[in-house]
Amino acid sequence: DAGVIQSPRHEVTEMGQEVTLRCKPISGHDYLFWYRQTMMRGLELLIYFNNNVPIDDSGMPEDRFSAKMPNASFSTLKIQPSEPRDSAVYFCASSSTEETQYFGPGTRLLVL
Amino acid sequence: QKEVEQDPGPLSVPEGAIVSLNCTYSNSAFQYFMWYRQYSRKGPELLMYTYSSGNKEDGRFTAQVDKSSKYISLFIRDSQPSDSATYLCAMMISNFGNEKLTFGTGTRLTIIP
Repeated sequence: DAGVIQSPRHEVTEMGQEVTLRCKPISGHDYLFWYRQTMMRGLELLIYFNNNVPIDDSGMPEDRFSAKMPNASFSTLKIQPSEPRDSAVYFCASSSTEETQYFGPGTRLLVL
Repeated sequence: QKEVEQDPGPLSVPEGAIVSLNCTYSNSAFQYFMWYRQYSRKGPELLMYTYSSGNKEDGRFTAQVDKSSKYISLFIRDSQPSDSATYLCAMMISNFGNEKLTFGTGTRLTIIP
């Protein structure tokens, strides 16, 4: 299996622009997680899905952030409008069991 | 106070030394305990997990959990330069519908050849 696939790997944008991050989980995994990692705050869970249904979005920082999972093989995280403080590495992870999450390579986002 | 506290380091040790990495936590509801390793510019990868107090060994790695003290450790024996990475502890309550991981901030480890 190719593992969790994320795109783009790097994104540089200007403040106010819309940013869309994409994730393809490992086939057969029921859970999908979106994380954000910064030096100051470490790795934070933003939202997670079970069988394509959002279960907990309490980590989504503001209404500017939204996530969707239209099918079992695809999810998006959208930031609109983006702000410099959104600059971070965004990880997608998937799992089929509670305790074993497989992370993707991450998307490095820089908002100027 | 954060639910999970981890010394960020950095920690530098000579090759072959025993490394001890630690985390403390405040939420007694945590049942699963994990250690992830993250190489520079990569995603975290699961090293070990356990759900009971005591020790769990896997090769050169030993995970230790002390629920009474709310303290977990990861020991690396015969450390190698390839062990240089950031190590993150993570914990989960694991109730139905609550499969969230809470991570420590990570300890950056460098093994000096």
